[in-house]
Amino acid sequence: AQTVTQSQPEMSVQEAETVTLSCTYDTSENNYYLFWYKQPPSRQMILVIRQEAYKQQNATENRFSVNFQKAAKSFSLKISDSQLGDTAMYFCAFIPNTGNQFYFGTGTSLTVIP
Amino acid sequence: KAGVTQTPRYLIKTRGQQVTLSCSPISGHRSVSWYQQTPGQGLQFLFEYFSETQRNKGNFPGRFSGRQFSNSRSEMNVSTLELGDSALYLCASSAFPLPGQGADTQYFGPGTRLTVL
Repeated sequence: AQTVTQSQPEMSVQEAETVTLSCTYDTSENNYYLFWYKQPPSRQMILVIRQEAYKQQNATENRFSVNFQKAAKSFSLKISDSQLGDTAMYFCAFIPNTGNQFYFGTGTSLTVIP
Repeated sequence: KAGVTQTPRYLIKTRGQQVTLSCSPISGHRSVSWYQQTPGQGLQFLFEYFSETQRNKGNFPGRFSGRQFSNSRSEMNVSTLELGDSALYLCASSAFPLPGQGADTQYFGPGTRLTVL
């Protein structure tokens, strides 16, 4: 069975500071893809970053970067220089290369404090 | 490219009625997935369609059904509405190849907010 766990239901960070959101997953697959999605109060789900499991290099997108630890099945998201617009629910997601269904974590609600 | 569109954006129904929600994927995307999002249950997978075929179904009762048309547009239907069906229904599309050929990113629509009274 494929599962995704986000153990931090809520987090907060001061504006301009750095915050890390945790995600672990469980799978027997060797090839898969991992994602972080952001859902602001508008409810529109937005892709933040994507990581292919076969790539050892951690993905980065501007202020967003991941720490992908394949052996530990860990995929954390680091947000640098946090901005008020980063306030949102963040979802970690996983899909095996051989599958066609995404598996989502329960989300982490991040609040950026001015 | 235009994004994923969902209609209607808001819907109010009463118990026992049925409802149909529509999703138009990004042009060229052949896979459409549906999710139910509620505060208590998070994102729950409903079903996924690819080339008019349902490939995966989540753990929902038979009152929830869907279909996909030849132009990849998809509809989901909920019959005999219950209060617990009140939720945000999200549609996501992907340029999925066949399984084993590499997964692709899902892009989400803005959702349909369904309220059942």
